[in-house]
Amino acid sequence: DSGVTQTPKHLITATGQRVTLRCSPRSGDLSVYWYQQSLDQGLQFLIQYYNGEERAKGNILERFSAQQFPDLHSELNLSSLELGDSALYFCASSIGAGPGTGELFFGEGSRLTVL
Amino acid sequence: AQSVTQLGSHVSVSEGALVLLRCNYSSSVPPYLFWYVQYPNQGLQLLLKYTTGATLVKGINGFEAEFKKSETSFHLTKPSAHMSDAAEYFCAVSGFTGGGNKLTFGTGTQLKVEL
Repeated sequence: DSGVTQTPKHLITATGQRVTLRCSPRSGDLSVYWYQQSLDQGLQFLIQYYNGEERAKGNILERFSAQQFPDLHSELNLSSLELGDSALYFCASSIGAGPGTGELFFGEGSRLTVL
Repeated sequence: AQSVTQLGSHVSVSEGALVLLRCNYSSSVPPYLFWYVQYPNQGLQLLLKYTTGATLVKGINGFEAEFKKSETSFHLTKPSAHMSDAAEYFCAVSGFTGGGNKLTFGTGTQLKVEL
């Protein structure tokens, strides 16, 4: 158990819909990261927040948005869903903001299926 | 920009044989390098990491990796494979860019261990 909690574990929805994925980081960690894992794209970095502020941005679509709340949990919002958005979405957390400040601890992921 | 290339999407070894998973990196800044393992239906778990200092890094479960700057490589090895090592292994690179931690993963190598 990494200490990172993601909900829901599975989600099935239709094209055009909007969903919210939730992540609670490990106790004491200030950074939260979102990754998308799919067969054709592999593991893609989406975005990082540190103590409520955006710190790094990757290949995140404009239809996707994220935020980190004062209690440090984070939400990833996916809107106008397309079939290609079907993937496993991972949240990870770390103590610091930079690459040398500690390892990333990953949750078990939220599997999104868009029909 | 940073990237990693993992040579071989599938590697098969016999139990007790040497495990060698290859990773080459590209980075415009001094890199931080990582190997993560993913078991079926689970999140990623850190095996080992190179930040600075000793170029031979030891990790969990008997794995180790050597950072070779001249070859831009960070290959993962284990002297004797065990059935429980069967999983997908990801090489990743990060570096100081803009105050965040954009950890970029390779495409993964699926390790199969046969009796």
